Formats: sequence, structure tokens, C-alpha cells
Amino acid sequence: ELKVEQNPLFLSMQEGKNYTIYCNYSTTSDRLYWYRQDPGKSLESLFVLLSNGAVKQEGRLMASLDTKARLSTLHITAAVHDLSATYFCAVHSGGGADGLTFGKGTHLIIQP
Amino acid sequence: NAGVTQTPKFRVLKTGQSMTLLCAQDMNHEYMYWYRQDPGMGLRLIHYSVGEGTTAKGEVPDGYNVSRLKKQNFLLGLESAAPSQTSVYFCASSRGAAWGNEQFFGPGTRLTVL
Repeated sequence: ELKVEQNPLFLSMQEGKNYTIYCNYSTTSDRLYWYRQDPGKSLESLFVLLSNGAVKQEGRLMASLDTKARLSTLHITAAVHDLSATYFCAVHSGGGADGLTFGKGTHLIIQP
Repeated sequence: NAGVTQTPKFRVLKTGQSMTLLCAQDMNHEYMYWYRQDPGMGLRLIHYSVGEGTTAKGEVPDGYNVSRLKKQNFLLGLESAAPSQTSVYFCASSRGAAWGNEQFFGPGTRLTVL
């Protein structure tokens, strides 16, 4: 059974600081996704990582994937208040159309 | 394009009542999914479909049924609602595995079962 673990589950940080969210998963997969969710809202796709060593960046967010370590990271550079949200990683375990297995999410609060 | 839409947005049911949640997408996606989200947890897959007329069970299928009679629609049914089915339900669609299977989510349906 595929398990996806995120840490930390809760993070309060100050604007301007850097931090990293970690996502570990238990079985082989070469597809990993990061989503953002604002309170009471739907999930917004941030990154799709499809191969070992993949790195993607968008603004102050950068995601990477190490399939050998079964680890993905979401790095936040010089955080700003607008990045406050819950961030989920999700892993696609099947070769076909299987759904995603999600982590529990990291609730990120960025204080001015 | 509206993307993925869900109706209704909110619903309150009594135990034992039935209802159907509708998901529609206008992106011509082959794959569609139903998830539920409970407080403090990530999303869990209920059922999914790889094309018109096909459905398959996900991680938590008990108490739910689905149908995909048209490519653009995916229905989730609760035949006899239970309080344990109180949750937020999200529908998603994707173009397919060959395109990375990136899933796009609808706005959600908040269901309360009393």
C-alpha cells in the first residue's frame, strides 16, 4: 500500500525566510505532484514532476524529485504572506489511470 | 472554458437519504476522479473512470456508486447516506497518463449528513 508522508504538517514562519517542506513516499513512483489549497477552496496544481532529478521553479517556489530516495521537496525562498496556504504532495503509483495518493498536507502560515 | 464544475456546492442530508453529486468538465479529458477530503487529511480516492462507460474503485469506495454515461460527466451517488460520509467531495479530471496525468480539480461539494 502506497503511503505518502509530509513534514512538517504545520509551519509558521516569518516573511523573508527560507524553508523546505518534505514529502516521502513508500513505493516506487516516478510521478509526483504538488498542489496548493487555500481555506475553503479547491486544489490548484503547482508542479508536476515526472522523472528522477526533475526540478521545477515558479516564483518563490521550487520543487524537486529524487525517485531513488523516494523524496520530493518544496522549497520556499524569501517567503511572502501570499504564500500562506496548505500544500499537498501526491503520488501516482499506477501505470495507468490510477488516482493520486495524497499526503496529509502542510499548513503554512507566513507572518508579516 | 469553465474547467471542472460541481453541483451542488453545499448539501445537508438526513441519515438514510440518497443524493447524486454531478461533476462536469469541458476540457475533453478522458480520466475523471472522485475524492473526499476530511479535516486534517489529504484527499482519498473514492472511484475513478478512464473513459465513457467505465468505472473503477479507489481507496474508499464503500457506500458510493458512480456512473459515466457521457465523457464530460461523472456522477457520484450515495444510496443511503451515513454521518461518516460528511465530508468535502472533489471531482478531478485529467488528459491521461501520456500527458503526465496532471489532475485538475473542481470547486468541491460540502456535504453534511445528520
